[in-house]
Amino acid sequence: RKEVEQDPGPFNVPEGATVAFNCTYSNSASQSFFWYRQDCRKEPKLLMSVYSSGNEDGRFTAQLNRASQYISLLIRDSKLSDSATYLCVVRIYNQGGKLIFGQGTELSVKP
Amino acid sequence: NAGVTQTPKFQVLKTGQSMTLQCAQDMNHEYMSWYRQDPGMGLRLIHYSVGAGITDQGEVPNGYNVSRSTTEDFPLRLLSAAPSQTSVYFCASSFLGLVGGDTDTQYFGPGTRLTVL
Repeated sequence: RKEVEQDPGPFNVPEGATVAFNCTYSNSASQSFFWYRQDCRKEPKLLMSVYSSGNEDGRFTAQLNRASQYISLLIRDSKLSDSATYLCVVRIYNQGGKLIFGQGTELSVKP
Repeated sequence: NAGVTQTPKFQVLKTGQSMTLQCAQDMNHEYMSWYRQDPGMGLRLIHYSVGAGITDQGEVPNGYNVSRSTTEDFPLRLLSAAPSQTSVYFCASSFLGLVGGDTDTQYFGPGTRLTVL
């Protein structure tokens, strides 16, 4: 079993749709959680950190459920510019702080 | 700040050749790491370092060596290139500070696209 698993994509949605991405992690010692965005095989860039209480940044909402070892990302009112690959990342501090990436979920927003 | 820089951007090698991918950061980050990205595989951790003189293996370390003689630099060495090492390589760095805080953010270099023939 992979340490971090994401929904297999791609997700094809119309503009204005709401889309949710799910991610599960297997290492209960995972301490920090992030969503990154990657465009066309460029370097990944931080979209948002995921805090225990959940957090929101405009149209984006991230949730963390430690008991179920589950992270989610919700995108409301999708824009064409949201088309990208979304990467779920966990940081494991008792393993030297290494970061483990999920395989990514591709999103394509159509007009 | 230049952030995280990687050189070269593109490289073509023949099987058996050796080379070093360079990575440098000017943010005084303790943590540095190398990933490779292959289609459908996401980013896989090759090696990482939590400070000068300290390195450790990630998921896919075979065929690669690293060293960390300074805080700023973290070169990745391919000892004898193989076609299976054709990939996009990303270097990244971050602080190892507050768990879950803003200092946890990892910054990536632009990547090196390596082809081994």
